[in-house]
Amino acid sequence: DGGITQSPKYLFRKEGQNVTLSCEQNLNHDAMYWYRQDPGQGLRLIYYSQIVNDFQKGDIAEGYSVSREKKESFPLTVTSAQKNPTAFYLCASSINRGISYGYTFGSGTRLTVV
Amino acid sequence: AQKVTQAQTEISVVEKEDVTLDCVYETRDTTYYLFWYKQPPSGELVFLIRRNSFDEQNEISGRYSWNFQKSTSSFNFTITASQVVDSAVYFCALGQGTYKYIFGTGTRLKVLA
Repeated sequence: DGGITQSPKYLFRKEGQNVTLSCEQNLNHDAMYWYRQDPGQGLRLIYYSQIVNDFQKGDIAEGYSVSREKKESFPLTVTSAQKNPTAFYLCASSINRGISYGYTFGSGTRLTVV
Repeated sequence: AQKVTQAQTEISVVEKEDVTLDCVYETRDTTYYLFWYKQPPSGELVFLIRRNSFDEQNEISGRYSWNFQKSTSSFNFTITASQVVDSAVYFCALGQGTYKYIFGTGTRLKVLA
């Protein structure tokens, strides 16, 4: 079955470390997205990519980086510059370049700073 | 400015009760889309419905129904005869011709047996 796979499900980061969250989709979707979810704040967009080798900053991109070298993959790196990285991270994809058809979401990665 | 408000942070009901989740949105555009997603404890968001701004017909899907009213900028979601499996966080979202949604803060629904 097609879908989005996020790994790992749980991730622990020490202060000052960079960590990379994986997101892979086999839906042949053009666009991919990273959202951050904090309690009581809903979802906020970090980065999005409409096509391979191109990506755009979302509302809260500071302290994060992404790459889109393959259509299927959109990894997110949480750098040491992100001062409050503990959150639930959701990856999503969509069938075309607009938002009219909705997203398919992965099951998320919960990142905790220890 | 675009905004989605889900004023109900948490709702608890007893199984078989009906429950309505409220969603109020703000936008100046005439063309936009509204969505509802369900987030079960497993974490992923599950798409429930999409409605475009030109289609104000209410929709029913099994025990779920949606009431879209442009006059009040609302897109409310009703679950009839709730079940324990309906327990989840429900998000309303607004999109309008861009590549991102504006999400509400979510409503946590607890259905008690």
